[in-house]
Amino acid sequence: DIQMTQSPSSVSASVGDRVTITCRASQAIGSWLAWYQQKPGKAPKLLIYDASSLQSGVPSRFSGSGSGTDFTLTISSLQPEDFATYYCQQANSFPPFGGGTKVEIK
Amino acid sequence: EVQLLESGGGLLQPGGSLRLSCAASGFSFNSFAMSWVRQAPGKGLEWVSTISGAGGITYDADSVKGRFTISRDNSKNTLFLQMESLRAEDTAVYYCAKGMTGKYYYFDSWGQGILVTVSS
Repeated sequence: DIQMTQSPSSVSASVGDRVTITCRASQAIGSWLAWYQQKPGKAPKLLIYDASSLQSGVPSRFSGSGSGTDFTLTISSLQPEDFATYYCQQANSFPPFGGGTKVEIK
Repeated sequence: EVQLLESGGGLLQPGGSLRLSCAASGFSFNSFAMSWVRQAPGKGLEWVSTISGAGGITYDADSVKGRFTISRDNSKNTLFLQMESLRAEDTAVYYCAKGMTGKYYYFDSWGQGILVTVSS
């Protein structure tokens, strides 16, 4: 089974900061990777699919990159509404999620 | 607008059974794969099961295989999860999620979630 490892597990940042979250797959998955945002008590929201395609309606400050085993989600300028937990998810086969990265206010 | 509304959750004892439903609207239901994803309290997301648009193909996580059954009624735009032999570790918020066009495992719409608690 493919395992997804996210780092860091949490990050403290300020409004306006550039934030980068990394996701590593235990084996190559091509570009079959998605990123989700989840706020407390809410359902997850799809941000990025196919590693770098921005889902409709998602602000352009979110971007994704990578292929194979190493992937990155970048928030170019953190906004107050971006404080949340972010999950990667491989979609090459049965889709395990990464453990999540909580973006907290510094 | 896509809407997914889960129902059927609750509190039950270990070994019990429960059926979750997810009523869908705002899209051509039978054209999209649907899935269940769960989240234990304070934990991350765990994929549970997926069913193809026509309902003929299903996939289950190892953790629920043989105990949970995903199904759908396309005439009623409704997704189901039949849960048997429930365990304490099945306690979670269960979300139904819609797959993207041609991409089973990208979930572009989610329900609000329904809580299932398994406890004696």
